[in-house]
Amino acid sequence: GAGVSQTPSNKVTEKGKYVELRCDPISGHTALYWYRQSLGQGPEFLIYFQGTGAADDSGLPNDRFFAVRPEGSVSTLKIQRTERGDSAVYLCASSLTGLAGTGELFFGEGSRLTVL
Amino acid sequence: ILNVEQSPQSLHVQEGDSTNFTCSFPSSNFYALHWYRWETAKSPEALFVMTLNGDEKKKGRISATLNTKEGYSYLYIKGSQPEDSATYLCAFIRRAGNQFYFGTGTSLTVIP
Repeated sequence: GAGVSQTPSNKVTEKGKYVELRCDPISGHTALYWYRQSLGQGPEFLIYFQGTGAADDSGLPNDRFFAVRPEGSVSTLKIQRTERGDSAVYLCASSLTGLAGTGELFFGEGSRLTVL
Repeated sequence: ILNVEQSPQSLHVQEGDSTNFTCSFPSSNFYALHWYRWETAKSPEALFVMTLNGDEKKKGRISATLNTKEGYSYLYIKGSQPEDSATYLCAFIRRAGNQFYFGTGTSLTVIP
């Protein structure tokens, strides 16, 4: 597709369940970011991939959160044992080369996660 | 903790009014400052990427300035239109970093 695609757009789950959120970046973009936006806050950094590797995962809040990008394209954010505090909009963004270039981010529409 | 602040938090203006808002960021280790517009039910879209102190950028009725020495950027909208209604986010990137540090945004509503 032409833009960044995120699925699902909405996910409602129960506390304790496992969730996967998928991001399909713009073709050819090597940099991929995951951000989380909670109500009333700005987007909060989670993880940055350059190609297949996680170049910076310092924003992942705890070991329940994990993300992969096995072929350097699609990325999956995985959340184990979900908690009510995980409820947020999860944004994915890609960039042609990351900060080696202009760094301009192209965002998906987000996945809204609600944990009951 | 790296602080990026935006003000005001929200703004209501009449169609045709000009408006501006502020993004404040650390004045040390500056690399770049981005502005994004996020309309409801859409993806955030880049408005400006600013890297040099004194930069002024313009896109139609929207312009932005950058002062890296004092750590602020202004976004101006001239003759606001209802389609300008959105949340405007700024993001600070520090030298040798990977992360974009976003502010909480300014929510603009333009009343027809």
